[in-house]
Amino acid sequence: AQKITQTQPGMFVQEKEAVTLDCTYDTSDPSYGLFWYKQPSSGEMIFLIYQGSYDQQNATEGRYSLNFQKARKSANLVISASQLGDSAMYFCAMRQMNAGGTSYGKLTFGQGTILTVHP
Amino acid sequence: EAQVTQNPRYLITVTGKKLTVTCSQNMNHEYMSWYRQDPGLGLRQIYYSMNVEVTDKGDVPEGYKVSRKEKRNFPLILESPSPNQTSLYFCASSRTPLITSYNEQFFGPGTRLTVL
Repeated sequence: AQKITQTQPGMFVQEKEAVTLDCTYDTSDPSYGLFWYKQPSSGEMIFLIYQGSYDQQNATEGRYSLNFQKARKSANLVISASQLGDSAMYFCAMRQMNAGGTSYGKLTFGQGTILTVHP
Repeated sequence: EAQVTQNPRYLITVTGKKLTVTCSQNMNHEYMSWYRQDPGLGLRQIYYSMNVEVTDKGDVPEGYKVSRKEKRNFPLILESPSPNQTSLYFCASSRTPLITSYNEQFFGPGTRLTVL
């Protein structure tokens, strides 16, 4: 069964510094997609970045980049130049295949990491 | 504006009183899904739908029902709510369920349900 693990319940970072949020995953399928979502205190889920299992390069979106190490099954999120507005819960998620080899679109989520940015 | 809407946003109810949480998307998405979020557990899938009249169970379907009579709507029904269904519920949609291409899921704003 697919599984996502986020081992950091909480992280603290100083404003303008970079921070890495860890995510490891477990799957036996060769084809999968990895996502990061941000959930601020207001509760909505905001998509940040996506990495496909066959993508040759690490994904980047503005200040967000994904450190994808396929052999180690890790997909860490790096936030550069942290801002106070980055304080939120961050979820790593994986879209997986079903037993028939096609995708039914389910996202499996990790437990989340609460990031606090200090001024 | 492309969006997923949910109603109500907040609901306090009592054990056994049937309720429906509505979900609607205006992006003509094929795939829709319901998740519940509980502290320390992340989000877990309740039900999903690949298209109209096609629904299936996720990881935690017990106590829930869904229907997909129209492409844009995917209501979540709790026939007899119990306190262990107190949670934050999210509806999500995506263009297709495929994972072979960039295909993010759009989430609704969430419904915070309390069952007394």
